[in-house]
Amino acid sequence: DQQVKQNSPSLSVQEGRISILNCDYTNSMFDYFLWYKKYPAEGPTFLISISSIKDKNEDGRFTVFLNKSAKHLSLHIVPSQPGDSAVYFCAASGPQGGSEKLVFGKGTKLTVNP
Amino acid sequence: NAGVMQNPRHLVRRRGQEARLRCSPMKGHSHVYWYRQLPEEGLKFMVYLQKENIIDESGMPKERFSAEFPKEGPSILRIQQVVRGDSAAYFCASSQRQGSYNEQFFGPGTRLTVL
Repeated sequence: DQQVKQNSPSLSVQEGRISILNCDYTNSMFDYFLWYKKYPAEGPTFLISISSIKDKNEDGRFTVFLNKSAKHLSLHIVPSQPGDSAVYFCAASGPQGGSEKLVFGKGTKLTVNP
Repeated sequence: NAGVMQNPRHLVRRRGQEARLRCSPMKGHSHVYWYRQLPEEGLKFMVYLQKENIIDESGMPKERFSAEFPKEGPSILRIQQVVRGDSAAYFCASSQRQGSYNEQFFGPGTRLTVL
């Protein structure tokens, strides 16, 4: 039972354009969402997060949008750079005070072409 | 300002041997989490520990796997009598506080290969 789904295994974009990575979840108890970036043979690196009381959080080139009614979140990267090429994982946790573990999607491999 | 440290980075074991994976959390972090990643999969939660306490082990296989986080020293994930299906990347993460939207910071992982 996949509670966090990333339905696109891969995404390819041109340098300078926008990258949009999508994530859906099924558990309505999740109230905190995170994006991690992972290079081969390394651990995931935290990128950005959003709590369920917000619908948008921005940090530099990275913006995460949350649509609670649709149980959907997305990560926007603008402008995309070749160094952004990596696997991006969406993760969720909650409810706060109930569960500390992160539930991960399977990841989307982003390739940014020069 | 060291991050989460894991050793060894690569571990090769034969079936039936024991594997010990070590994790030192970031300075100031007292919460440790272990995750496993199988090929082409996302990370799967295994266990959450605080110093000398197992808080949540709902993701741990019922047999052969154990974890500890002693008062002194690193957290240890121990796999007894390894089988080929245990081959995976094992990641440790740490966080500073409990609940309240905590970010977990990951180590580089230990890649276990069972021959």
